[in-house]
Amino acid sequence: DTGVSQDPRHKITKRGQNVTFRCDPISEHNRLYWYRQTLGQGPEFLTYFQNEAQLEKSRLLSDRFSAERPKGSFSTLEIQRTEQGDSAMYLCASSSTSGSGSYEQYFGPGTRLTVT
Amino acid sequence: RKEVEQDPGPFNVPEGATVAFNCTYSNSASQSFFWYRQDCRKEPKLLMSVYSSGNEDGRFTAQLNRASQYISLLIRDSKLSDSATYLCVVNSPGFQKLVFGTGTRLLVSP
Repeated sequence: DTGVSQDPRHKITKRGQNVTFRCDPISEHNRLYWYRQTLGQGPEFLTYFQNEAQLEKSRLLSDRFSAERPKGSFSTLEIQRTEQGDSAMYLCASSSTSGSGSYEQYFGPGTRLTVT
Repeated sequence: RKEVEQDPGPFNVPEGATVAFNCTYSNSASQSFFWYRQDCRKEPKLLMSVYSSGNEDGRFTAQLNRASQYISLLIRDSKLSDSATYLCVVNSPGFQKLVFGTGTRLLVSP
């Protein structure tokens, strides 16, 4: 399977704990995105990497959130001191800078986070 | 005003029906437009990009009206498997992020 993969698929944690999610993009894609989706809403942008550089961050990404893509391949999203409001589906997407479809983003299956 | 607005539905249609979804966007500088499909508790999947001249893919037709900042998706001969939420998506000018509508839910019944 050469699609975007995410791990874990589900995470239940207690309020105040730290969690880390991983995303592996499509191998030839140099752009990687993180989105968050809550029930009844469309995905909301969190942050974007081109290769290893983090180029855009949403105001939704509070100081408790940090994302990395150290070698320009996989990425991690860490949430520190989780709050119940962090409960959501965290989606990763990737795209390529080449070709006419350079804005087309392909999503992974998501990590569903529940904070109790 | 939301950047991308859609009627949330649900649209309940019988198999074989034709159904149309509409979407408006607020930023006239947006350049790229898409429809994504999302099944319950699954990730969004790219259904089709929307081009200025309009485009068709089998039973699906997408149209763009830049003057009215309006995007549509037409589904002909609906199948049970078309039941899903359809997300209207535009790029944010000057940024790489995509902006999603809240989605329109479609239920196709036998």
